[in-house]
Amino acid sequence: DAGVIQSPRHEVTEMGQEVTLRCKPISGHDYLFWYRQTMMRGLELLIYFNNNVPIDDSGMPEDRFSAKMPNASFSTLKIQPSEPRDSAVYFCASRKPGPTGTEAFFGQGTRLTVV
Amino acid sequence: GENVEQHPSTLSVQEGDSAVIKCTYSDSASNYFPWYKQELGKRPQLIIDIRSNVGEKKDQRIAVTLNKTAKHFSLHITETQPEDSAVYFCAASRDQGAQKLVFGQGTRLTINP
Repeated sequence: DAGVIQSPRHEVTEMGQEVTLRCKPISGHDYLFWYRQTMMRGLELLIYFNNNVPIDDSGMPEDRFSAKMPNASFSTLKIQPSEPRDSAVYFCASRKPGPTGTEAFFGQGTRLTVV
Repeated sequence: GENVEQHPSTLSVQEGDSAVIKCTYSDSASNYFPWYKQELGKRPQLIIDIRSNVGEKKDQRIAVTLNKTAKHFSLHITETQPEDSAVYFCAASRDQGAQKLVFGQGTRLTINP
């Protein structure tokens, strides 16, 4: 398996524009997590899915953020409209369920810059 | 929900000395505690983990200890080397039911030659 794949690797956009980040988890991993990393706040959990269903979105900062997982191999995180304070590195991670498969594997991240 | 606190935020040690990073968690149902290392510009990667039925686990120069009663766990790195310089994150999770993985704030470890 190629691991968790995120796209794009870098995104520069103007304030007010819509941004869509994409993630392909490792096959067979039932859990998918979206994290935002900044110097000030570390690795913040935004939302996570289990079997394509959103379980906890309490970390999503505002209604401007939304996430979907239409199938087991694809998830998106959308910001509309984007603001400069959304600039961060966004990571997607996936893991198997249960006591024997708990390691979470991270994608390479998307560095988002909103100007 | 789970909350993980990590200290210190920065740590500088001389090469060859030991480094210790400490974390506390709030959810008594958490039973899986991984540590991740993130090098500059790269993704976090698992270096060691521990489950609540074990008090200590070692892997060469790194070890993790867990005190479930006090709800804290620590990472110990001995004989530190320059390549140990990185940001280290602790995390906590259940391994059944809602398997939310929550991270601490991170510790920037610098090894001085």
